[in-house]
Amino acid sequence: AQKITQTQPGMFVQEKEAVTLDCTYDTSDPSYGLFWYKQPSSGEMIFLIYQGSYDQQNATEGRYSLNFQKARKSANLVISASQLGDSAMYFCAMREGFPYGQNFVFGPGTRLSVLP
Amino acid sequence: EPEVTQTPSHQVTQMGQEVILRCVPISNHLYFYWYRQILGQKVEFLVSFYNNEISEKSEIFDDQFSVERPDGSNFTLKIRSTKLEDSAMYFCASSGTGKNIQYFGAGTRLSVL
Repeated sequence: AQKITQTQPGMFVQEKEAVTLDCTYDTSDPSYGLFWYKQPSSGEMIFLIYQGSYDQQNATEGRYSLNFQKARKSANLVISASQLGDSAMYFCAMREGFPYGQNFVFGPGTRLSVLP
Repeated sequence: EPEVTQTPSHQVTQMGQEVILRCVPISNHLYFYWYRQILGQKVEFLVSFYNNEISEKSEIFDDQFSVERPDGSNFTLKIRSTKLEDSAMYFCASSGTGKNIQYFGAGTRLSVL
């Protein structure tokens, strides 16, 4: 079974609009972390935002916010006021349990295209 | 801002040759990782390294692969005898404690001919 599911292979959004990228996860571990990374066409992986399983509030980092619904096991990324530079692949990832230092499991990614 | 650096950015090699991919993690980080991404596919975990030993490895990380932290700053991935299917982007990452946010290098694109 897939640990991380991203059901949208590709998404389009108009510049300055908000967009939500979906991510659902599967774990039986009560302690986990959820991460979003951006991969532009140049190939590097850029950390965007983190949500811990025990965090009471949804994470926010500038224009990025994470809509964390624990009961549904979803951790959707919301990008507000899209910019042309947001066009990239976006990966959701999860780290389970203790000790810290365990590997990430990545989803298949969503390719976001921002239209002028 | 501190960053993970990887060299070379692109490595071309003949099948059967040994390659060493190099990484300099963020200086105060304690955990180090290698991932690979075959073109157009998702990122796959290879190995994690802590306290000078492998802490976890995936099925992909077979006897052809090895990692080393030879001098306290570099972190290397060696592929002993490359195969065509080893062609991929290889990412190094490092993390500290706490949230375990892993910071990735820009990657090394390995092309096996």
